[in-house]
Amino acid sequence: SQKIEQNSEALNIQEGKTATLTCNYTNYSPAYLQWYRQDPGRGPVFLLLIRENEKEKRKERLKVTFDTTLKQSLFHITASQPADSATYLCALEGETGANNLFFGTGTRLTVIP
Amino acid sequence: GAVVSQHPSWVICKSGTSVKIECRSLDFQATTMFWYRQFPKQSLMLMATSNEGSKATYEQGVEKDKFLINHASLTLSTLTVTSAHPEDSSFYICSATRGTTSTDTQYFGPGTRLTVL
Repeated sequence: SQKIEQNSEALNIQEGKTATLTCNYTNYSPAYLQWYRQDPGRGPVFLLLIRENEKEKRKERLKVTFDTTLKQSLFHITASQPADSATYLCALEGETGANNLFFGTGTRLTVIP
Repeated sequence: GAVVSQHPSWVICKSGTSVKIECRSLDFQATTMFWYRQFPKQSLMLMATSNEGSKATYEQGVEKDKFLINHASLTLSTLTVTSAHPEDSSFYICSATRGTTSTDTQYFGPGTRLTVL
């Protein structure tokens, strides 16, 4: 089965800096990868989807890369703000290609004012 | 937007009782709904996938007789935890999609915190 690892459980950065979060996966290569934001006691909120044939995707201050050779996705938040503090989850499609998702354990980002 | 609600937001029950959690898509018809469980500091674990009018598909290791899922309409799915025990205490989250393809965005509910005493 797929194993998904996110680089660290927690990441602290200074306001204004760029936060970089890592998602690594083993086994099969998914056709796409998604990133979600989860605040404490809340359900995840979809942020970005990147397909295997896309190297990079951007949305406002967010940027996601997808390297199928390294089996890795990087998630960047530029000009970070305290409001960006949350847990960020990467998710991959199921092995059978079914429309279910498997999530990483998440990285808890804290942006320090 | 696409809004998914869950009810209740939290519940405390005694061991051995059953608890029902509702998941509703408020402004769209959900072809597929998913149920997840999340323990503290752990990832969301998919429990089951349900399509309206058909039986749910459970992930390996999830007891279908213990976690009863009913998806009676395109806007409502329910999860019933039968004979709950303290180890069932967790954060239960549902999500819903408009379509059935693997790239359809999943819209998540706010979650239900279950505590079994």
